[in-house]
Amino acid sequence: AQSVTQLDSQVPVFEEAPVELRCNYSSSVSVYLFWYVQYPNQGLQLLLKYLSGSTLVKGINGFEAEFNKSQTSFHLRKPSVHISDTAEYFCAVINAGNNRKLIWGLGTSLAVNP
Amino acid sequence: DAGVTQSPTHLIKTRGQQVTLRCSPKSGHDTVSWYQQALGQGPQFIFQYYEEEERQRGNFPDRFSGHQFPNYSSELNVNALLLGDSALYLCASSLVAGEQYFGPGTRLTVT
Repeated sequence: AQSVTQLDSQVPVFEEAPVELRCNYSSSVSVYLFWYVQYPNQGLQLLLKYLSGSTLVKGINGFEAEFNKSQTSFHLRKPSVHISDTAEYFCAVINAGNNRKLIWGLGTSLAVNP
Repeated sequence: DAGVTQSPTHLIKTRGQQVTLRCSPKSGHDTVSWYQQALGQGPQFIFQYYEEEERQRGNFPDRFSGHQFPNYSSELNVNALLLGDSALYLCASSLVAGEQYFGPGTRLTVT
């Protein structure tokens, strides 16, 4: 079975500052990893994904994440945030050999202040 | 491409009633997954449909049932509604081994 831990429930940050949202996972099998964003009263939008290959993946809106297999982490980063990045961010994993259900973290609320 | 669509957007029901939520997948996708997201929580997997059959199910009671039609659209049915069923219900579509794309969700309120 897989599990996902998002280490920060809330992250306040000032506009134009860098941010890192932390995600650790546990799995006995190979997994694919995802970061999704959810704006207020909206559905989920894929930010980026790691399936294989380069451990540094770039996504939309200037976000990137690095897969670290030895530390079982997939932290999300952005060098300079905007007010519009204020949202809930979810890390998720899926069994790479059995792509059926996404296992989700509890989410990190990013609040970007002016 | 319209993407994943869900209907209705909002719904209010009373305890004990039954509800049906609908999902149309992204064009070309053949797999539909349903998730429940309670307020302030991450999504929880309910079940997944492929080729009109339930392929996998999460930890939800039998009150939650579904169906997939030949055109790949899907319904989620919940019987004997409880207050705790109030949540955002998300539908995701994918190819059988591909990335899941989410719809905007249906907000269900049970009073």
